[in-house]
Amino acid sequence: GQQVMQIPQYQHVQEGEDFTTYCNSSTTLSNIQWYKQRPGGHPVFLIQLVKSGEVKKQKRLTFQFGEAKKNSSLHITATQTTDVGTYFCAATPSWGGSNYKLTFGKGTLLTVNP
Amino acid sequence: DGGITQSPKYLFRKEGQNVTLSCEQNLNHDAMYWYRQDPGQGLRLIYYSQIVNDFQKGDIAEGYSVSREKKESFPLTVTSAQKNPTAFYLCASSMEGGGNQPQHFGDGTRLSIL
Repeated sequence: GQQVMQIPQYQHVQEGEDFTTYCNSSTTLSNIQWYKQRPGGHPVFLIQLVKSGEVKKQKRLTFQFGEAKKNSSLHITATQTTDVGTYFCAATPSWGGSNYKLTFGKGTLLTVNP
Repeated sequence: DGGITQSPKYLFRKEGQNVTLSCEQNLNHDAMYWYRQDPGQGLRLIYYSQIVNDFQKGDIAEGYSVSREKKESFPLTVTSAQKNPTAFYLCASSMEGGGNQPQHFGDGTRLSIL
């Protein structure tokens, strides 16, 4: 099945530092979604990227979709303790059609030292 | 409030026992999903349903069964054939199937072996 590789697996930062997580696929993607899961909670949808080279921002979060639609990144500027959690990417292959399902990466666990 | 309700929050299974996890949504979504989450493994798809009275196996369906008799409900049965059922189970829904819609998650059920 389709593989979506996400790195790093863990990231510990000091509050105020930046953070980036990367998502890579060997196949071209139709779209990519990002989710955040707080400790003890459930995943919450953040954003979806569809177009090649697309960049979207949500306050301190910047999401990018690669030109080849095979990779994506989530960058957080000046992390805060509220950013703690696991960030997942989830993607659909471009050849999947309307019946295909999302494949989730294993996630990046972000911890922030106040 | 619209949302997804999973019950119970915690569940214990005895050897050789089948247990059923409940998932109900009032979002009027067509598609529903069951995921299993293990530490460091991300979300793995067990079963999904794009419409009432229809469902498909995901990546790890062995030892599980589902039904979709009503649009609002998608219960998951963990059978005795599932030898390692201890995990966090998440139910999700989306407006339509196909991987290009945001998924909304319930609070999850933690299943453990007695």
